[in-house]
Amino acid sequence: EAGVAQSPRYKIIEKRQSVAFWCNPISGHATLYWYQQILGQGPKLLIQFQNNGVVDDSQLPKDRFSAERLKGVDSTLKIQPAKLEDSAVYLCASSLGYSHNEQFFGPGTRLTVL
Amino acid sequence: AQSVAQPEDQVNVAEGNPLTVKCTYSVSGNPYLFWYVQYPNRGLQFLLKYITGDNLVKGSYGFEAEFNKSQTSFHLKKPSALVSDSALYFCAVRDDYKLSFGAGTTVTVRA
Repeated sequence: EAGVAQSPRYKIIEKRQSVAFWCNPISGHATLYWYQQILGQGPKLLIQFQNNGVVDDSQLPKDRFSAERLKGVDSTLKIQPAKLEDSAVYLCASSLGYSHNEQFFGPGTRLTVL
Repeated sequence: AQSVAQPEDQVNVAEGNPLTVKCTYSVSGNPYLFWYVQYPNRGLQFLLKYITGDNLVKGSYGFEAEFNKSQTSFHLKKPSALVSDSALYFCAVRDDYKLSFGAGTTVTVRA
């Protein structure tokens, strides 16, 4: 079974630039998550989709971050404009449902904002 | 809100010795608890979960965890550690329908 795919793996940008990350979840997984993992901290949920609807985006900085999952499969996360404090690893995960099913994580995208 | 705490930033053990990674939780209601492991430059991998039932949960790679309601703990254990177990370990609790993670514990197993 193919795992969660993410691209790019690494990205370096300057502050005020924009960047987009892509995620393809495990086939058949209805729930998709985007997490931000700052060095030395645990992952923090940014947004959660159930199919193509948003379940929770309460911790998403909506003035600069946006995410979509238009067809209920793959998803993109965008930052515009980026700030220095956005430097982190952005993890995508998926699960069959959002009850107590385990989440499967992709390898992440390491973003460095200079 | 539900939360977990991992009191140790780092754990160092010799190969072949028992390994314990500590986690305590704070929840209202029944806890749903998870352990994940993260190897360098890779995403998190699921190890095990406690939902209900037996307090001793067995998971992947020889790991197990003991749920202790009176001490509000969910410690991860392995009877005999391997060098390949060196990684970053996260405890997590289900908070409504999302996971809240601890800050992580770096485990180093020396040969």
